[in-house]
Parts: sequence; structure tokens; C-alpha cells
Amino acid sequence: NAGVMQNPRHLVRRRGQEARLRCSPMKGHSHVYWYRQLPEEGLKFMVYLQKENIIDESGMPKERFSAEFPKEGPSILRIQQVVRGDSAAYFCASSPSAFEAFFGQGTRLTVV
Amino acid sequence: RKEVEQDPGPFNVPEGATVAFNCTYSNSASQSFFWYRQDCRKEPKLLMSVYSSGNEDGRFTAQLNRASQYISLLIRDSKLSDSATYLCVVGTGTASKLTFGTGTRLQVTL
Repeated sequence: NAGVMQNPRHLVRRRGQEARLRCSPMKGHSHVYWYRQLPEEGLKFMVYLQKENIIDESGMPKERFSAEFPKEGPSILRIQQVVRGDSAAYFCASSPSAFEAFFGQGTRLTVV
Repeated sequence: RKEVEQDPGPFNVPEGATVAFNCTYSNSASQSFFWYRQDCRKEPKLLMSVYSSGNEDGRFTAQLNRASQYISLLIRDSKLSDSATYLCVVGTGTASKLTFGTGTRLQVTL
């Protein structure tokens, strides 16, 4: 059983471009979380999704950020018109039962 | 007040020492509790779940105090390889959103 797969592992974008981060949960996991970690800071919750539903997006910035978890395929975190402050590590976690979660290796986004 | 609070540290301890971390949470309706470990620039990994009765896994002991709303992690006989950031995690609500503390950094030295 493969773990949580995130890709790309590293992503470089110029200011104003779009960033798409993908997360394939572990097999059988229907709960997905996205977290952001700024350098030297802790993990900050962004969004919690179940298949085709956003359950809690209280940690998502109001603009430019969106997330989805379609019936088929990976969960996508999309950042439009990226700015330097979006540079961070973005971690996805999946869970079978909305309790303990397992993390992917993260996507490190660098905005230049 | 933060939902989950931890002392950021760092805790610098010699090899073989016993070290304890505490974590407090604000939502009394919280239902699930965990300790995760995060090594530098890596993903967090589940260390152990925390049960009301307390639980032990080798050198690690976790305790939950619901009345005072805090969780503790005790590490005995610290090893160099225990150096990491320890994250307190609380699950709350019917959707069981997991909320992470900012972590406590442990540095074990010779």
C-alpha cells in the first residue's frame, strides 16, 4: 500500500503564475487535509476535504486559493497569481476515518 | 487563545535524560489526541495516539488529562535520534478536523 503521494516535490513559479499541487491519498482513505508550513514555523491547517466535498476551509486564504477532491483522481490545491509570501512547504495528509492522519512528503513551492 | 498550544523550546538535553513536553488545547469537545514527530524539512509522522488511560510505547509515554485539557509526552533515556520537533495534534468536532500545535523542538546532545 503506497503512502500518501504528493507531486511535484519541488515547484518553482514566477510571481503571477498559477501553482497546482497534487495529492493522492492512501488507498481506502477518503479524508484529505492540506497544511502549509512557512520556514521556521509550525503547520497551519488550510482545508479538510472528503470526496467531492469541502468540509472545512477555515484556514484557506479568501482569495487566490482553492482546493478540490474529486470523485476520481487526486486532491488538488490550486494557488492563482502566486506571490512571494506563498513560498512554503505544502503538506497533504489522508485519513481513513477522520482521526489519525498520514502525511505525504510535501511540495516545496518557491515563488521567484 | 490558540486551539493547541505548545512550548516551542528548544529543549536541549543530554543523551540518557528524561524529557517531558506538555500541550494544552482549548476545545473541551476535542475527541482524539496524537503526538507526531517532524524531522527537519520532512513530513510529520505519527508517533503515538493518546488515550484517556495513558499509553506507553517503549521509551515514550503519553498522558491525557481531560479535566485540565492537556496532553503530555515523556521520553525516557533520550537518544541522539530523538532530536526532532514534536507536534501535539487534537481532533475536534464531527468532521474531526485535526489541529496541530506549532511543535516543541528537542535537541539531544552527547
